[in-house]
Parts: sequence; C-alpha cells; structure tokens
Amino acid sequence: DSGVTQTPKHLITATGQRVTLRCSPRSGDLSVYWYQQSLDQGLQFLIQYYNGEERAKGNILERFSAQQFPDLHSELNLSSLELGDSALYFCASSCRLSSGDHYEQYFGPGTRLTVT
Amino acid sequence: DAKTTQPPSMDCAEGRAANLPCNHSTISGNEYVYWYRQIHSQGPQYIIHGLKNNETNEMASLIITEDRKSSTLILPHATLRDTAVYYCIVTNNNDMRFGAGTRLTVKP
Repeated sequence: DSGVTQTPKHLITATGQRVTLRCSPRSGDLSVYWYQQSLDQGLQFLIQYYNGEERAKGNILERFSAQQFPDLHSELNLSSLELGDSALYFCASSCRLSSGDHYEQYFGPGTRLTVT
Repeated sequence: DAKTTQPPSMDCAEGRAANLPCNHSTISGNEYVYWYRQIHSQGPQYIIHGLKNNETNEMASLIITEDRKSSTLILPHATLRDTAVYYCIVTNNNDMRFGAGTRLTVKP
C-alpha cells in the first residue's frame, strides 16, 4: 500500500460525457502527478501540481484539466470523452520540496476508465 | 520522448541475479537515473535512483557507468514476484517520462 488513494476504481461511461477522477496523496506530500496508461501509448505523464499550483505539463489534452485543492487532494476532469480515452489513470505523489530536490513518486492503484 | 533504451524483454531463473541494462547516452549532468517497476496493472513502484555513484537499497542495486551513459539494475536474488515491467527513467526535475520498459519474467 503506497498511501496514495484513488477513486473510483472503475468507471464506465459513454462517449461525450464528463468524469472526475479523485486522488488523495500520501500524508505530507505536496506534489501530485497524473498519468495515463493505455494499451497503445504506455504510461504517459499528464500534469503535475505542487501545493495547489500547476508545476509541469505533459501530454495532456485540452479536454482534460486538473486541480489541486488546499487539502492537497487532486481531481482530474475528463470531458467530451472519446473511445480512445479508455485507459488506466494513475495518480502519484511525492514530497518534493523544491526544484532541486529529488524524491521518489508513490503511485496509487489507478482508476480504470472505460468509454463505450 | 523517453531518453532511455531498454531491451523489451528478459528472462531470469528464480534465485539468480537479474541484471537489467539501460542506455542513456544523452544524459546531462544534472539528470538522475530512476528505476520503477509495474506488476501487471498495478501502480508503478519506485525501486531506486542515483546520480553518478552506485546505490543499493533493500530491493536492488544500481550500477552507473563512469561516463553515466548506461546503468544496470540488479535484483540480487530474483523471485517469481519480481516478474514485472521495469522502467529506467532519466530526469532532472521529478518529471517522469516512462518508456516501454523491460518485461522481466522470472521462471521457476
């Protein structure tokens, strides 16, 4: 158990819909990362937040957005869903304090999204 | 884009050492080498990281060549539970860009 929790575990929805995935980081971790893992794309970094502010962006579509709240939990919002958005979505957290520090990331169990 | 090259798959006998290579010839001076693994569809698990010195923890050892252009992850006594995809990542800012990794199969 990494200490990172994600809800829901599974989500089935239809094309065109909007969903919200939730992540609670490990206690004390200020950084939250979101990743997408699909069969054909592998594990792709989407976005990082540090203490409520966006810190880095990866291959995140404009239809996707995220935020980190004052209690440090994060939500990933996926809208206008397409079949190709079906994937595992992982959240990770780390206790990174500044840009010069390096800390391991702890991954949650993921949310499996199926778009039909 | 991943900055590393790893063999797509490897086999290892249970109880033997598993040596997983990684090439990162374009690594820059402030980039670290990280290793993670992913068992089936679980969340990736951190294994070890290093800058230029060899590192060892309870899970594995990381050997980085002097020119830092390649590294090897060593699992000293592989077990069946070590069967997983192993990812080698180079980064200078905790921004992990995963490649395809090496699928390690530990056989009895």
